[in-house]
Amino acid sequence: AQKITQTQPGMFVQEKEAVTLDCTYDTSDPSYGLFWYKQPSSGEMIFLIYQGSYDQQNATEGRYSLNFQKARKSANLVISASQLGDSAMYFCAMREGGNDMRFGAGTRLTVKP
Amino acid sequence: GAVVSQHPSWVICKSGTSVKIECRSLDFQATTMFWYRQFPKKSLMLMATSNEGSKATYEQGVEKDKFLINHASLTLSTLTVTSAHPEDSSFYICSAGVGRRFYSNQPQHFGDGTRLSIL
Repeated sequence: AQKITQTQPGMFVQEKEAVTLDCTYDTSDPSYGLFWYKQPSSGEMIFLIYQGSYDQQNATEGRYSLNFQKARKSANLVISASQLGDSAMYFCAMREGGNDMRFGAGTRLTVKP
Repeated sequence: GAVVSQHPSWVICKSGTSVKIECRSLDFQATTMFWYRQFPKKSLMLMATSNEGSKATYEQGVEKDKFLINHASLTLSTLTVTSAHPEDSSFYICSAGVGRRFYSNQPQHFGDGTRLSIL
């Protein structure tokens, strides 16, 4: 069964605007981590931000913040002040306990000038 | 820190050739490495988990004899695509985590991937 769901195949945002990329997950493990990665067209996976299941506060890293709603099992990525260089694929991922990391289908973000 | 190097970046070869892809952790020891396959505009699909000094664990549907994985040291894992055919053409990417045991809060660090094209 799909454990990580990203329902937005593609998103557009105007430069300097904020954008939210959705991610929902499914797990019965109380200990898990949620991650967002950026994959530009060159292919490398760039780690952006992490949220732990026990974290009380939403994670933030510069222009990236994670809107963590545990009861709803959602971990949306918010990118503020979008830049042209933010255009890329974005993947939400989850690790349960000590297991491997599983990825969502991804969202292609296009920032318009 | 936590750099993963993957080589080669691009491979173009004839059908029937075997291709070896290397994944190295440069500044940390990686007991476990992961191999993913990614089709164009698709997500990363886990192929196998590579464990140092033991046999790899393959995901369901992944042919063990087609995709040979060797993890002979704490810093090197290799994926060999044996007798490659055009349907094996894909983007292969490895990743590793820091330390001997993965905890849920550890991000995986990825290599830059290998684009494999079989003619």
